[in-house]
Amino acid sequence: SYVLTQPPSVSVAPGETARIPCGGDNIGRKSVHWYQQRPGQAPVLVIYHDSDRPSGIPARVSGSNSGNTATLTIGRVEAGDEADYFCQVWDSTSAVVFGGGTKLTVL
Amino acid sequence: QVQVRESGPGLVKPSETLSVTCTVSGGSIISSTNYWGWIRQSPGKGLEWIGSIFYSGNTYYNPSLKSRVTMSVDTSKNQISLQVSSATAADTAIYYCFFSSIAYSLFDNWGQGILVTVSS
Repeated sequence: SYVLTQPPSVSVAPGETARIPCGGDNIGRKSVHWYQQRPGQAPVLVIYHDSDRPSGIPARVSGSNSGNTATLTIGRVEAGDEADYFCQVWDSTSAVVFGGGTKLTVL
Repeated sequence: QVQVRESGPGLVKPSETLSVTCTVSGGSIISSTNYWGWIRQSPGKGLEWIGSIFYSGNTYYNPSLKSRVTMSVDTSKNQISLQVSSATAADTAIYYCFFSSIAYSLFDNWGQGILVTVSS
């Protein structure tokens, strides 16, 4: 089955840029989606199809995907960005696959 | 604006069938191209897709859960239902209803979730 690997945690100071990687075998050939989950809330889609933003998601949130790593980038990080972030793909054999999630801590 | 809301028993006994319902408001299940379905999250853990269903009844299930999962659509009640048979403590989780309006392979609208505990 297909596996997505994320670091358990990423820390960044306010105003800096956070980069959250999502690793997978030839993930660059797949379409990657990202979700933000704040404590006690349901997940929210923040990036789809590698780099598209749903309405209401600020431009400082972006995504990229190449080779074996997809990356969610959050610029000018704010306290409100502190949350868990999950990557996700559709795989032909496993269907929907989620990464284990990364906790973003704003220092 | 279409919204979904989960409901069902918060406590299920081991070996029994876990059942949850998702009620759609603000729109009709059959008047859209949306896919509907369920994702769960065990306490403190990651996300696990359970399955997706189209209003016509076409379903996609997580291969690891397929033998115990049944999803159905009730167009008269504008509801989607999930049943997980032979429940165990491992099925204890928050169950989220979703609908996918952009593409069937991603989840752009979620309910608030319902915690279901499997315990005697």
